[in-house]
Amino acid sequence: EAGVAQSPRYKIIEKRQSVAFWCNPISGHATLYWYQQILGQGPKLLIQFQNNGVVDDSQLPKDRFSAERLKGVDSTLKIQPAKLEDSAVYLCASSYVGLFTEQYFGPGTRLTVT
Amino acid sequence: AQTVTQSQPEMSVQEAETVTLSCTYDTSESDYYLFWYKQPPSRQMILVIRQEAYKQQNATENRFSVNFQKAAKSFSLKISDSQLGDAAMYFCAYRSDNGAGSYQLTFGKGTKLSVIP
Repeated sequence: EAGVAQSPRYKIIEKRQSVAFWCNPISGHATLYWYQQILGQGPKLLIQFQNNGVVDDSQLPKDRFSAERLKGVDSTLKIQPAKLEDSAVYLCASSYVGLFTEQYFGPGTRLTVT
Repeated sequence: AQTVTQSQPEMSVQEAETVTLSCTYDTSESDYYLFWYKQPPSRQMILVIRQEAYKQQNATENRFSVNFQKAAKSFSLKISDSQLGDAAMYFCAYRSDNGAGSYQLTFGKGTKLSVIP
């Protein structure tokens, strides 16, 4: 089966600009996650969707970050305006719903804010 | 909130030797899952091994095994017969239930493993 797809793979922007990332989960996976991985740290969950709805966005900086998952499939994560500290790899993951499910990760988007 | 601690930022091992990566966690839950993930350079994260807390038997997957000490809240990963392809960042993760059949992972900061030919 095809894996989790993400684009772009790399993005360089200046601070105060806007940027958007796209994720296409594995077919049939109802749950989709966005993580932020700052260099030297483990991934931190930003937002979790189940189908169209948000399950958890407690760690999403809502003043500048937004995410949506239309039709319960693809998802976009947006940053507006970007700050220097937003430089990180943004990982998308997906999974089935249930007790014994595994999260499958995409290759990530490396964002550099200058 | 759960926390996951990996106290070894970097480790190295000779090819064909055995190495153990450490992980401790903090939780008040009695039933949970623990994971080790591997993240090779510029490649995506993949699951290495999983341990259910209610199981006393330590999980094994080929050359990878864990030492799960529930009382001590310790979850170490042992890699036997290390290979060059094992070089990567290894992350320990704790899975918590956030309701409605959904779960989320809390990751440690990772251990960078180098394999010396």
